[in-house]
Amino acid sequence: AQSVTQLDSHVSVSEGTPVLLRCNYSSSYSPSLFWYVQHPNKGLQLLLKYTSAATLVKGINGFEAEFKKSETSFHLTKPSAHMSDAAEYFCVVSGGLSGSARQLTFGSGTQLTVLP
Amino acid sequence: DAGVIQSPRHEVTEMGQEVTLRCKPISGHDYLFWYRQTMMRGLELLIYFNNNVPIDDSGMPEDRFSAKMPNASFSTLKIQPSEPRDSAVYFCASSSLAHEQFFGPGTRLTVL
Repeated sequence: AQSVTQLDSHVSVSEGTPVLLRCNYSSSYSPSLFWYVQHPNKGLQLLLKYTSAATLVKGINGFEAEFKKSETSFHLTKPSAHMSDAAEYFCVVSGGLSGSARQLTFGSGTQLTVLP
Repeated sequence: DAGVIQSPRHEVTEMGQEVTLRCKPISGHDYLFWYRQTMMRGLELLIYFNNNVPIDDSGMPEDRFSAKMPNASFSTLKIQPSEPRDSAVYFCASSSLAHEQFFGPGTRLTVL
């Protein structure tokens, strides 16, 4: 079975400072991992994905994430926060309770606030 | 491509009424997923289809919920009868061979 834990429910940063959103996963096989972003009253948008290629994954809007198998982590980072980054971020692992690789298991979300 | 299309975007109904949510996946995608999002439970997978066939409906909360996919370009999620605890945002998503799913804008359902 797969699971994902987002270690912070809320993160607050000042504009122009780095962003770190933490995620740990558990998987019985080599997982695919994703970060999705949800802006208020919007659907979920894919930021980036890891599928067993390069461990450092670059996504849209300057975000990147590093897959660390030894730490079972997939933290999301951005060097400099922008006001438009304020949103909820979901760490996601492929594979649901039934083990199907097609199903996504979502973390509980991290609300990012960017202060002026 | 227009992306995943959902309708209506907002639905307000009274307890006991039937509610039908609609989804048009991205053309060429052969997987379709229905999710429910609430503050208390976060994002939950309700059901998913592959090539119009339901594969896993274990997330459907109870018999009041049903979903169909009559063809590759259309799916419905029906709640009958609706209850206040069904109030949530319902998302449809589709995917192809790659694992990433593309989400629609959601339908915000309020049951009074």
